[in-house]
Amino acid sequence: DTGVSQDPRHKITKRGQNVTFRCDPISEHNRLYWYRQTLGQGPEFLTYFQNEAQLEKSRLLSDRFSAERPKGSFSTLEIQRTEQGDSAMYLCASSHPGAAGNTEAFFGQGTRLTVV
Amino acid sequence: GQSLEQPSEVTAVEGAIVQINCTYQTSGFYGLSWYQQHDGGAPTFLSYNGLDGLEETGRFSSFLSRSDSYGYLLLQELQMKDSASYFCAVRGPSNNQGGKLIFGQGTELSVKP
Repeated sequence: DTGVSQDPRHKITKRGQNVTFRCDPISEHNRLYWYRQTLGQGPEFLTYFQNEAQLEKSRLLSDRFSAERPKGSFSTLEIQRTEQGDSAMYLCASSHPGAAGNTEAFFGQGTRLTVV
Repeated sequence: GQSLEQPSEVTAVEGAIVQINCTYQTSGFYGLSWYQQHDGGAPTFLSYNGLDGLEETGRFSSFLSRSDSYGYLLLQELQMKDSASYFCAVRGPSNNQGGKLIFGQGTELSVKP
């Protein structure tokens, strides 16, 4: 399977704990995105990497959130001091330039975070 | 800013045709895309319209009118497996040529036997 993979698929954590999610994009894609999705809503953009460079971060991304993409391959998203409002599905997507006007992205199955 | 409006839910019967509308407001426009998401699944790219008109891909077609800031997704010969959420999306503003997407809230399609 050469799709986008995310790990773990589910995470339950206590409020105040730190969590880290991993995303492995499609290998030939140099663009990687993180989105957050809550029930009944569309995905909301969090951050974007081109190769190893983090080129854009949403204002939704508080200072408790940090993302990395060392070596331009896999990416991690860390949330520190989790809050109940962080409960959501965290989706990773990758793409290559030019596909469908730069709008065709391949999404992973997501990591569902529940903060209790 | 960017905003997209689409109906929250639509119900149709197997074999029928359904149209899901999307209106958008954007600063800078690079085309309209559609994604499908089954319950618990990943969003999957369906189609893209960069120019006005109809794009057809099998049972699915997508239409764009840039002058009306409007598009729709047309699903024909509905099947039970088409029950899913459908999102319209546009590229968000950026200074880096990236492809960040702004999504609508989604339309939940229920196909009944």
